[in-house]
Amino acid sequence: EVQLLESGGGLVQSGGSLRLSCAASGFRFSNYAMGWVRQAPGKGLEWVAVITDSGGSRHYADSVRGRFTISRDNSQNTLFLQMNSLRAEDTAVYFCAKNDYIDSIDYWGQGTLVTVSS
Amino acid sequence: DIQMTQSPSSLSASVGDRVTITCRASQGIRNDLGWYQQKPGKAPKRLIYAASSLHSGVPSRFSGSGSGTEFTLTISSLQPEDFATYYCLQHNSYPQTFGQGTKVEI
Repeated sequence: EVQLLESGGGLVQSGGSLRLSCAASGFRFSNYAMGWVRQAPGKGLEWVAVITDSGGSRHYADSVRGRFTISRDNSQNTLFLQMNSLRAEDTAVYFCAKNDYIDSIDYWGQGTLVTVSS
Repeated sequence: DIQMTQSPSSLSASVGDRVTITCRASQGIRNDLGWYQQKPGKAPKRLIYAASSLHSGVPSRFSGSGSGTEFTLTISSLQPEDFATYYCLQHNSYPQTFGQGTKVEI
């Protein structure tokens, strides 16, 4: 059974930093691209970032490029999202997501809440 | 970036109704589209991948169709547990983009 468990969310001041983690189990982590999706309170889903299986390629939404960095540790089956220069509009639940072989998100974590106070 | 326009934004339906939700892509995306269901306070779950393939364990009352720029999610006979918000997601190119969502209400 695929399991994705996010951690690291919390309350941070505007301009601050936070690092999210996602512990994966139930599948061969190093074989799949992984990513992050967020959802602001009462709003729709927003795709944030993805990293390929080896970590060799990364893509970002325009809204976070230059401020967020996605990374992974295949030896620890863990995905990360380093978030710098946080803004109030980054307040959201952040979901860890697994991609399948056609790059479609097939499984999601339960999410971790990030609140940026201004 | 590819824009996904989803309609309607909300709909009212009854148990047993046939429900159709549409997503339109701003450019052709072949069949690189998935459909997701989200209930309040929960993570989304995939229903459909590659526009028309049923995700493992998803009831057969859910179906998807379309290719290129026009896509449809159909629920053939709405059940009480299907009241939720539905999203499409294109994975043809990065950044991947979601539709705005469709809330299915009683």
